[in-house]
Amino acid sequence: DSGVTQTPKHLITATGQRVTLRCSPRSGDLSVYWYQQSLDQGLQFLIQYYNGEERAKGNILERFSAQQFPDLHSELNLSSLELGDSALYFCASSVDGGGKNIQYFGAGTRLSVL
Amino acid sequence: AQSVAQPEDQVNVAEGNPLTVKCTYSVSGNPYLFWYVQYPNRGLQFLLKYITGDNLVKGSYGFEAEFNKSQTSFHLKKPSALVSDSALYFCAVRDMTGTYKYIFGTGTRLKVLA
Repeated sequence: DSGVTQTPKHLITATGQRVTLRCSPRSGDLSVYWYQQSLDQGLQFLIQYYNGEERAKGNILERFSAQQFPDLHSELNLSSLELGDSALYFCASSVDGGGKNIQYFGAGTRLSVL
Repeated sequence: AQSVAQPEDQVNVAEGNPLTVKCTYSVSGNPYLFWYVQYPNRGLQFLLKYITGDNLVKGSYGFEAEFNKSQTSFHLKKPSALVSDSALYFCAVRDMTGTYKYIFGTGTRLKVLA
């Protein structure tokens, strides 16, 4: 168990809908990362937050947004969902945001868009 | 464009033999380099990282990796493979020149045969 909690584990929804994925980092970790893993595109870095502020941005679509709250949990919002958004979404956390520290990954949320 | 290449989709090795999983990268500056492993239906687990210093990095579960700046490679190695090493391995790079993005390779499936 990595200590990173992601909910829900599975999500099934329809095209055009909006969903929210939640991530609770390990106790003491200030940085949260979001990733998308799909068969088409492999593992893609989406975005990183550090202590509530955006630290780095990857291949995140404009339809997607994220935030990190004062209690350090994070949410990834996916809107106007398309079939191609079906993927496994991982959250990871680390102690700081500098990149030297180990990222601990959650078990992921599997999103199916029908 | 920044990229990470894992040229082999799959590597097969006999138990007890040495293994190598290859990774090359095209990222400017002095990126941070990582290896992660993914077991079925699990999130990624950190294996090792190169930030600076000694080119040979030792990590978890007996794995090591050699950083070669001139060849821009960071191959993962293990002297004696175990059946339990069978998994999906990802090489990743963090761009430290400004974007601070993480870039992952497409993954290499390692199969260790008994």
